[in-house]
Amino acid sequence: DQQVKQNSPSLSVQEGRISILNCDYTNSMFDYFLWYKKYPAEGPTFLISISSIKDKNEDGRFTVFLNKSAKHLSLHIVPSQPGDSAVYFCAASITGAGSYQLTFGKGTKLSVIP
Amino acid sequence: DSGVTQTPKHLITATGQRVTLRCSPRSGDLSVYWYQQSLDQGLQFLIQYYNGEERAKGNILERFSAQQFPDLHSELNLSSLELGDSALYFCASSVLQGTAGELFFGEGSRLTVL
Repeated sequence: DQQVKQNSPSLSVQEGRISILNCDYTNSMFDYFLWYKKYPAEGPTFLISISSIKDKNEDGRFTVFLNKSAKHLSLHIVPSQPGDSAVYFCAASITGAGSYQLTFGKGTKLSVIP
Repeated sequence: DSGVTQTPKHLITATGQRVTLRCSPRSGDLSVYWYQQSLDQGLQFLIQYYNGEERAKGNILERFSAQQFPDLHSELNLSSLELGDSALYFCASSVLQGTAGELFFGEGSRLTVL
């Protein structure tokens, strides 16, 4: 049973436009959410996170929105740049459980077209 | 550079064999996590160690084992290898064990079982 789902395996966006990557989760115990970016032949790198007490977190061109009632989060990239082309993983965790592990989605491959 | 070092980067072996993957966490990080990424799959949590002790287990097969040494480096041992064990194995580290925050990932070890 996949607790974190990224239903779009790929997404293509024109340079300068907005990229919206979506993620759904099923476990209501998740209270901390992260987005990671992964380039080929590299490990995932942290991009942005959000706690369940917030509904929005912004960092430069990247904004994450959390809708707890819908168990849905999204990552907005504005404006999109060719260097943003990568695989984006959504991850979720339960904090304060004595152990800290991330549950990942399968990823969305973003292609930003110049 | 995340500061997490994994060796070897690539490994090709035959079914039935045993391999050891090594991970050196970021300086100062006490927690080490192992993740497996198979083809078209997200990162699957295998196991976590904190300061030498096992803290959490995920979907780790009985043929797999891990340990964290006093110098905090970790090894993941995979035995009786099967074709399906071919995957990218990532190590990640973090400072604390149960607090929300990001994990820092190494570049991964790509295992191919023939």
